[in-house]
Amino acid sequence: AQSVTQLGSHVSVSEGALVLLRCNYSSSVPPYLFWYVQYPNQGLQLLLKYTSAATLVKGINDFEAEFKKSETSFHLTQPSAHMSDAAEYFCATPRGGKLIFGQGTELSVKP
Amino acid sequence: GAGVSQSPRYKVAKRGQDVALRCDPISGHVSLFWYQQALGQGPEFLTYFQNEAQLDKSGLPSDRFFAERPEGSVSTLKIQRTQQEDSAVYLCASSRPQGLARVPSTDTQYFGPGTRLTVL
Repeated sequence: AQSVTQLGSHVSVSEGALVLLRCNYSSSVPPYLFWYVQYPNQGLQLLLKYTSAATLVKGINDFEAEFKKSETSFHLTQPSAHMSDAAEYFCATPRGGKLIFGQGTELSVKP
Repeated sequence: GAGVSQSPRYKVAKRGQDVALRCDPISGHVSLFWYQQALGQGPEFLTYFQNEAQLDKSGLPSDRFFAERPEGSVSTLKIQRTQQEDSAVYLCASSRPQGLARVPSTDTQYFGPGTRLTVL
């Protein structure tokens, strides 16, 4: 069954630095993949999604992710971190309509 | 436009009490999902409705959990005889599939702010 694994429960970067959040998927067929962000005391907001149309997916707030079948990965990047990017990030894949989430990665941004 | 709303935002219950959590989906959204998010974890699926039909309740952890959506809009998640392990954030999400007949695998789910339940 499809699932996702996020490597690193906490990532800390300096303001202006590159952000890299890792997600690997497990699936026998090319999956659909999502990245969601959760700000403190808020619900989840979709950043971007991969639906087989293009391997490089661009999302909101300059986030992007690249689907790499050879590495079974869908890592999220942001070229220049802002303080406002501090949040919890979740990779997810659908299974029968419902979403299966990774454990999450908390991103801290230092001034 | 209005997003998904949930009420109450916070609920404190004594062990053994019954609680009811409400979800108002985005108007016109056919699909509605409930998820449970324990502290420091990713959300876990509880149940799924398409209109008023509960198509999947495989994630409900016990028969103390019950969900309904009688008119295909507002949904209520009820937990009977709450236990400390029920403490979590309960998230509701809605989506509008492109076609009602197919499994909405790629549809964006829009999440509410959640209800944080604390059982003492």
